[in-house]
Amino acid sequence: GQNIDQPTEMTATEGAIVQINCTYQTSGFNGLFWYQQHAGEAPTFLSYNVLDGLEEKGRFSSFLSRSKGYSYLLLKELQMKDSASYLCAVMNNYGQNFVFGPGTRLSVLP
Amino acid sequence: GAGVSQTPSNKVTEKGKYVELRCDPISGHTALYWYRQSLGQGPEFLIYFQGTGAADDSGLPNDRFFAVRPEGSVSTLKIQRTERGDSAVYLCASSLTRSNGELFFGEGSRLTVL
Repeated sequence: GQNIDQPTEMTATEGAIVQINCTYQTSGFNGLFWYQQHAGEAPTFLSYNVLDGLEEKGRFSSFLSRSKGYSYLLLKELQMKDSASYLCAVMNNYGQNFVFGPGTRLSVLP
Repeated sequence: GAGVSQTPSNKVTEKGKYVELRCDPISGHTALYWYRQSLGQGPEFLIYFQGTGAADDSGLPNDRFFAVRPEGSVSTLKIQRTERGDSAVYLCASSLTRSNGELFFGEGSRLTVL
């Protein structure tokens, strides 16, 4: 079976750092992705991890541990515009399919 | 086109009717995906095409749902005998290569079944 878990909601303050966790159990693994989705809009790509470790891209970083089936997205220097849902997705190597988690709704407060 | 285009953006229909949703992917993208998303939830996989063939249709909920991509570009998702539970945003995404696999999403088609 396939299962991806994320916290449903998180709240943080402008300028702070927030970590959004994702755990997964999938049929095969060919990479983990993070997408951002603002309300009423399409998801947009943030990051991709296929090897263990940390990938940094500006204010956003993503970490992966394949042995633990665990990833996190780290957002630094939070801005109001970072208020959105953050979707964790796993590409399985069975069908090159992407399975998405339920998403974490992040609210950034002034 | 510059991005993934989906039409219609909004569709309201009555229970029992037939609906077609169209997706025009980014030119040259061989992989095309259909997802549906309900409010407050993540996208739910429906079907994935590699070229003209459906490489994985395991997400289609039942035989009322069908999708085609006859020329390896535009795809149509077809829903027969619509039910109120089919109401959702239907998202289409395409990707170019397997190595990174980044998905480019369209704006979605919001389907409301009354």
